Amino acid sequence: DAKTTQPNSMESNEEEPVHLPCNHSTISGTDYIHWYRQLPSQGPEYVIHGLTSNVNNRMASLAIAEDRKSSTLILHRATLRDAAVYYCIPPAGSNYKLTFGKGTLLTVNP
Amino acid sequence: NAGVMQNPRHLVRRRGQEARLRCSPMKGHSHVYWYRQLPEEGLKFMVYLQKENIIDESGMPKERFSAEFPKEGPSILRIQQVVRGDSAAYFCASSPQRLAGDTGELFFGEGSRLTVL
Repeated sequence: DAKTTQPNSMESNEEEPVHLPCNHSTISGTDYIHWYRQLPSQGPEYVIHGLTSNVNNRMASLAIAEDRKSSTLILHRATLRDAAVYYCIPPAGSNYKLTFGKGTLLTVNP
Repeated sequence: NAGVMQNPRHLVRRRGQEARLRCSPMKGHSHVYWYRQLPEEGLKFMVYLQKENIIDESGMPKERFSAEFPKEGPSILRIQQVVRGDSAAYFCASSPQRLAGDTGELFFGEGSRLTVL
């Protein structure tokens, strides 16, 4: 299975952009990269996913390196509600078989 | 449109008892997935079900654990003869179709937290 490496924690100030990095050097050529986040005492929430090119949606942007060995989740203007653990997940052979690591705990300061 | 509903939210059982966790998927979703989050660990896939069928149970422990998704009613994750190591948060997710290729979103419930005394 592909492994991911994320910083344990990051801090941001409210209304500033946040760049959350992820290394996934062992990802296969056909694996999509998924990002989910988990707010305290809640279930994970889908954020975004992509394969090769950069992706945008209403929540975030995903910048994928040309060699696909890393990606960066971009929150354009962090809010207090964005404080959560962010998981970068390459699926293990199937889009539903996601293995969540420890993720990055994002703290947003007012 | 109500989200994925799980109950109970908290369940306490003594060693040797049975735990039953229920999950009602989002309206229109016929694919259900169960995940487990052990303390201080990430979520791990357990089982994938469609109505009346188990599609993939590769993440389920071989003994004491079973799951079903009947034609009518919620999906049930059943743990028999619980042990302390079963204490965890159990999350259910659903999707409107089988996830493959570019279809990537699972909708998760808020979880059921099982404590085994």
